[in-house]
Amino acid sequence: ELKVEQNPLFLSMQEGKNYTIYCNYSTTSDRLYWYRQDPGKSLESLFVLLSNGAVKQEGRLMASLDTKARLSTLHITAAVHDLSATYFCAVDGSWGKFQFGAGTQVVVTP
Amino acid sequence: GAVVSQHPSWVICKSGTSVKIECRSLDFQATTMFWYRQFPKQSLMLMATSNEGSKATYEQGVEKDKFLINHASLTLSTLTVTSAHPEDSSFYICSAKSREEVYNEQFFGPGTRLTVL
Repeated sequence: ELKVEQNPLFLSMQEGKNYTIYCNYSTTSDRLYWYRQDPGKSLESLFVLLSNGAVKQEGRLMASLDTKARLSTLHITAAVHDLSATYFCAVDGSWGKFQFGAGTQVVVTP
Repeated sequence: GAVVSQHPSWVICKSGTSVKIECRSLDFQATTMFWYRQFPKQSLMLMATSNEGSKATYEQGVEKDKFLINHASLTLSTLTVTSAHPEDSSFYICSAKSREEVYNEQFFGPGTRLTVL
């Protein structure tokens, strides 16, 4: 059974500083997805990582995938208030089903 | 592209009534649609997978007779919560995969918030 662990579950960030969210998973998969969820809203796609060594960047966010270590990271550079949200990773498991991590609630304060 | 809509966006109903939620892929044909539920401060939990023209596949622990799923066309799937009770109150999110999608990405709808009184 595919298990996905995200940590930390809660991250209090100071504006201007850098932080990393980790996503570990238990079985082989070459595809991993990162999403953002604002309160009361659905998921917003951030990154699609499709192979070992994939790195994608958008603004202050950068995601990478190491399929050998079964690890993805979401790095936040110089955090700003607008990045406050819950971030989920999802791993493409069997039969095309996604297994989601528990989510990381990010709060950015001045 | 790849827009998924849900209707209604929120619904309040009395205990014992049934509620239907629609999920539509607006600009692509969806061979597979997924239904998730999300409780406050929790992650998404997959309820079932539906393929056009065939019966839905439910995850373990999800009652088939309570959560009826129909995937009648390549652009529409419906979830009916039958005889709803307060414990069914949740945020229901659907997603869809395009038949042209080679990366297996799922496109998520905006969600439906169900409150059962």
